[in-house]
Amino acid sequence: AQKITQTQPGMFVQEKEAVTLDCTYDTSDPSYGLFWYKQPSSGEMIFLIYQGSYDQQNATEGRYSLNFQKARKSANLVISASQLGDSAMYFCATLFSGTYKYIFGTGTRLKVLA
Amino acid sequence: DVKVTQSSRYLVKRTGEKVFLECVQDMDHENMFWYRQDPGLGLRLIYFSYDVKMKEKGDIPEGYSVSREKKERFSLILESASTNQTSMYLCASSLSPSLAYEQFFGPGTRLTVL
Repeated sequence: AQKITQTQPGMFVQEKEAVTLDCTYDTSDPSYGLFWYKQPSSGEMIFLIYQGSYDQQNATEGRYSLNFQKARKSANLVISASQLGDSAMYFCATLFSGTYKYIFGTGTRLKVLA
Repeated sequence: DVKVTQSSRYLVKRTGEKVFLECVQDMDHENMFWYRQDPGLGLRLIYFSYDVKMKEKGDIPEGYSVSREKKERFSLILESASTNQTSMYLCASSLSPSLAYEQFFGPGTRLTVL
């Protein structure tokens, strides 16, 4: 079954340091998209970054980058120079070809310490 | 900017009541989704719709129904609310089933069933 796993329920990081949030997925489908979302305490889900399974380079968006290791089926989110405003819940999600259904992980709660 | 709005941020209902949650998107997106979010379980798909009057069951459709009479509006209906339906409900939309398109989320409705 297609599945997304986030093994870190919670993490702490010092302000201005980098942090990696883990995400692994399980599929035999060669074509899929990977997404990361941020959910602040206000509740709204904010799209951060996308990686396609055929993309050769790791995606980057400002301070966010996606460490995509296809053979290991991992799509870790790296946040550089953490800020207090990065404290939030982070969800990894995937969409497989031929389906409308996005599959979400259980999330990682990140707390940035001053 | 894509905007997804939900009719209420907070809602309190009694067991057995019929509950309507409304979601509207303003960017002509084909696909719309309803999720519920519970701690430790991530986002679970209730129903989705890929076109007007078209709907598909997600992973947890029991106790829910949906309606999509117009492209921009997707309603979630709890026919007879129960306490185990107390949750955060998130609506989302996406442009098309292409793998590259992220979902846009509404602010969420926190429903409490007493």
